[in-house]
Amino acid sequence: NAGVTQTPKFQVLKTGQSMTLQCAQDMNHEYMSWYRQDPGMGLRLIHYSVGAGITDQGEVPNGYNVSRSTTEDFPLRLLSAAPSQTSVYFCASTGTGSSPLHFGNGTRLTVT
Amino acid sequence: AQKVTQAQTEISVVEKEDVTLDCVYETRDTTYYLFWYKQPPSGELVFLIRRNSFDEQNEISGRYSWNFQKSTSSFNFTITASQVVDSAVYFCALHSGIGFQKLVFGTGTRLLVSP
Repeated sequence: NAGVTQTPKFQVLKTGQSMTLQCAQDMNHEYMSWYRQDPGMGLRLIHYSVGAGITDQGEVPNGYNVSRSTTEDFPLRLLSAAPSQTSVYFCASTGTGSSPLHFGNGTRLTVT
Repeated sequence: AQKVTQAQTEISVVEKEDVTLDCVYETRDTTYYLFWYKQPPSGELVFLIRRNSFDEQNEISGRYSWNFQKSTSSFNFTITASQVVDSAVYFCALHSGIGFQKLVFGTGTRLLVSP
């Protein structure tokens, strides 16, 4: 059982480039979310989804897009990367609103 | 607004010492959940415990224990007889209200346990 799988693990982008961070879960969880982790700031919610076809913004959504075409996948798109988006990104899923989140192993993104 | 404060940025102890990590939260909701996650040097996030606002019982799991006090809005985490493998960053997090879980994280406490 793979749980939550994120790819890639590391990525370096130049300012203005676009890319998609992939996230897939095999636990049939309805709820999925993306967080970013920055030094001294903990984790902050970027976007989330309560089911296929339904997404919403979290605390820090600017510069990111998401879609949820299937229950399993929840990709995060950076449309035009900026140095401020240098961070570690975590995807998470859960089956109910209050159950613990299952996190992926993270993607370390550097924007130069 | 919801907020989680972990005032201890970094704690250093020697193996076998007991250590307590503090967590203070703010919310106006009567229904909420508190979590602790561990992030070892390898970087993944590991769930440790969940506590809901209606259950103030303290919990013990091996060397780990948690003290939930609504009167002081605190959910502190104690490691007894710390070990080098406990070295990690520990995050306290709050999910307030009902519906989708939008976790609010504290800034984390880095625990360094030396031999």
